[in-house]
Amino acid sequence: KNEVEQSPQNLTAQEGEFITINCSYSVGISALHWLQQHPGGGIVSLFMLSSGKKKHGRLIATINIQEKHSSLHITASHPRDSAVYICAANLYSGGGADGLTFGKGTHLIIQP
Amino acid sequence: NAGVTQTPKFRVLKTGQSMTLLCAQDMNHEYMYWYRQDPGMGLRLIHYSVGEGTTAKGEVPDGYNVSRLKKQNFLLGLESAAPSQTSVYFCASSYGTLPEKETQYFGPGTRLLVL
Repeated sequence: KNEVEQSPQNLTAQEGEFITINCSYSVGISALHWLQQHPGGGIVSLFMLSSGKKKHGRLIATINIQEKHSSLHITASHPRDSAVYICAANLYSGGGADGLTFGKGTHLIIQP
Repeated sequence: NAGVTQTPKFRVLKTGQSMTLLCAQDMNHEYMYWYRQDPGMGLRLIHYSVGEGTTAKGEVPDGYNVSRLKKQNFLLGLESAAPSQTSVYFCASSYGTLPEKETQYFGPGTRLLVL
């Protein structure tokens, strides 16, 4: 069983819709990351969270430590938001410094 | 600053050939990582380094070797390539001050095809 699970795997929505991508994890973590991977392949870090909520432009990330759950929200979605969104975590079991454990990604398509 | 760069961008190998992937960063980061990305699997850690001269195994190290002779460079070697090593390889780096809570900066990726 993967220690970091994402849902949905695929999501197609219309421009302007409010988007939610979910991430759950099964072990203790020191930090939760949201990454974006565009069709060209490059990976960009969007957020790093260890508690609470962060906002950047139309993107909002939240984390609930007790429930071992995080969400990424996109408000007023736009076709340029189409990408793969990846949840990743620094697991306590791994000692924290030895890299991230990744979810399988959510492929988001925003149609005009 | 170029950030994290990877060389080459794309390579085709025959089974049994060897090659080295180069990752370079100009941010004076201590920590560097090699990941591979396969369809349906997500990214997985191959090897990592917590500083110049150090390396450690990740989740999927078999068939790969690494070296960190200079702080800015992290090399990933395939001694005898196998078709199972067909993948996209990403390098990443982070400051290392608080590695368990740090943003990682990713390179553009190297697409490797082993025939």
